[in-house]
Amino acid sequence: ILNVEQSPQSLHVQEGDSTNFTCSFPSSNFYALHWYRWETAKSPEALFVMTLNGDEKKKGRISATLNTKEGYSYLYIKGSQPEDSATYLCAPDNTDKLIFGTGTRLQVFP
Amino acid sequence: DAGITQSPRHKVTETGTPVTLRCHQTENHRYMYWYRQDPGHGLRLIHYSYGVKDTDKGEVSDGYSVSRSKTEDFLLTLESATSSQTSVYFCAISEGAGSSYEQYFGPGTRLTVT
Repeated sequence: ILNVEQSPQSLHVQEGDSTNFTCSFPSSNFYALHWYRWETAKSPEALFVMTLNGDEKKKGRISATLNTKEGYSYLYIKGSQPEDSATYLCAPDNTDKLIFGTGTRLQVFP
Repeated sequence: DAGITQSPRHKVTETGTPVTLRCHQTENHRYMYWYRQDPGHGLRLIHYSYGVKDTDKGEVSDGYSVSRSKTEDFLLTLESATSSQTSVYFCAISEGAGSSYEQYFGPGTRLTVT
């Protein structure tokens, strides 16, 4: 079973602040890394699927980078808004099965 | 939103009783998954299916069985429910196997075993 670590566990920021969090995973047997956004009382929604070392993906104010050689991915949110409040999950893919981290819970205050 | 429904959405049952949760999709996706979500844990894979009648175990499969007789339906059965199976259960679907395919999640089923 992969050991997936996300940090920090939780984060409180003011509206307009930029923030980032980390997903660490073993670098061996890497296939892909998924990022999901999970709002309270809803279901997880996919943000990015990243497969290549050096990949950078962007969706609006949210972007992510991937380093497969050292086993980490960063998720960045530029100019956080209250609607960005959610738990952000990463999930590396090991042999067709995703192993989810416990997530980073982001709260953005107006 | 991907067409995924789960039923029931909430259930309370007693220890020792069998329980079946249903996941239904209208996307004709090949892969279907059952996860459970517990405090302090990430989503943990229980079982998954890669086609009709093709299923395999995930990380936490003990005490659970699954069936997939049609593309659109994936059933999760707790053979004899225990309090440790109190959890929120999510079904997910994807077009293909993990690597390049994002998963779409259903709304979840909250199960309480008393």
